[in-house]
Amino acid sequence: TQLLEQSPQFLSIQEGENLTVYCNSSSVFSSLQWYRQEPGEGPVLLVTVVTGGEVKKLKRLTFQFGDARKDSSLHITAAQPGDTGLYLCKIQDSNYQLIWGAGTKLIIKP
Amino acid sequence: DAGVIQSPRHEVTEMGQEVTLRCKPISGHNSLFWYRQTMMRGLELLIYFNNNVPIDDSGMPEDRFSAKMPNASFSTLKIQPSEPRDSAVYFCASSSTWTRTYNEQFFGPGTRLTVL
Repeated sequence: TQLLEQSPQFLSIQEGENLTVYCNSSSVFSSLQWYRQEPGEGPVLLVTVVTGGEVKKLKRLTFQFGDARKDSSLHITAAQPGDTGLYLCKIQDSNYQLIWGAGTKLIIKP
Repeated sequence: DAGVIQSPRHEVTEMGQEVTLRCKPISGHNSLFWYRQTMMRGLELLIYFNNNVPIDDSGMPEDRFSAKMPNASFSTLKIQPSEPRDSAVYFCASSSTWTRTYNEQFFGPGTRLTVL
């Protein structure tokens, strides 16, 4: 069974700092999605990465898909309190099963 | 446009009672997913439907759980009888296309279930 590991599990930093969170798989996958979940709401899609080595930017968020297609990272520049939330990664494995990571809980302190 | 609609938003019930959660997917979406989220286990996929047909229910924890999708605009998740360990937030999500590469899911606000 393919597993997705996210790290760190929890991160609390001051506003203005930079941070990176990671999503790693035990096997190669064809695509990966990052979602953000704010308290009391459902997850919302941020980005889908499909090509190995791909880099996508969404304002202050930079998403990277590893060359070997087994890992991905999310980098936030100059974090703001509005970035607070649970960041989840999701893949679909070779058996078309949806697999979610446990998430990184991010708190940005003003 | 309305997003995914779930009801109720909160449900408190006693052990042994039947619980029915409801979901209205985004109009035009043909895939629907039921999830459960807890602190201990994270987000778990329970079951998903494509064109109203259940495709994979391997995530349904046990026979006490059942899900139906009688038409393209409505689905229910039923727990009978409910147990305290069923306490969680239950999410419904829908998707416009079911491709074998990836799909974007739109989540409802969730139903917070507490079983006493």
